[in-house]
Amino acid sequence: EIVLTQSPGTLSLSPGDRATLSCRASQSVSSSYLAWYQQTPGQPPRLLIYGASSRATGIPDRFSGSGSGTDFTLTISRLEPEDFALYYCQQYGSSPSFGQGTRVEIK
Amino acid sequence: QVQLVQSGAEVKKPGSSVKVSCKASGDTFTNYVISWVRQAPGQGLEWMGRITTIVDIAEYAQKFQGRVKISADKSTSTAYMELTSLRSEDTAVYYCARVPHDWGQGTQVTVSS
Repeated sequence: EIVLTQSPGTLSLSPGDRATLSCRASQSVSSSYLAWYQQTPGQPPRLLIYGASSRATGIPDRFSGSGSGTDFTLTISRLEPEDFALYYCQQYGSSPSFGQGTRVEIK
Repeated sequence: QVQLVQSGAEVKKPGSSVKVSCKASGDTFTNYVISWVRQAPGQGLEWMGRITTIVDIAEYAQKFQGRVKISADKSTSTAYMELTSLRSEDTAVYYCARVPHDWGQGTQVTVSS
């Protein structure tokens, strides 16, 4: 089983700041099968990035994904008020798994 | 885009079973791999298993082996997740998804005596 560890657990930032979220895998993950989601209370996860770096339909270009192997990053270039939420990474290749999440909160 | 519409909330007794449905539209159902993911209150996302509809083969997370069954009915474009021997820790929102792109709205399952 591939364990995904997200860091930090909580990120306290201000609107306009840059956010950098990390997702580290216990073993190599195919980049084709690494996704990032945003979740707000009471809602299903919203896909942001798939294939490690491809933005999903309708996702603003302030969201970007990068990385390969065991280290992946989600970057939000300038935080908007609606970006303060929970973020999860997922590997959806063999025996899928999720990271435990990073909360982006207003400082 | 694929739309996934799940069945409504359920309240179950410990030891019983629950079966949640997920009806798909918008694409050819046999092209799908439908996953089930759950989220306990205040907790993260947990992958339970998935079914590849074209070959009707399901695979499960080790944690749920023997207690979950995922199936699909191609004639109605509907996937199902059945969880047995329910306990209070199974109280959660259950999602179906065509990972990573499309997600159902979630089904609240509450296990309480």
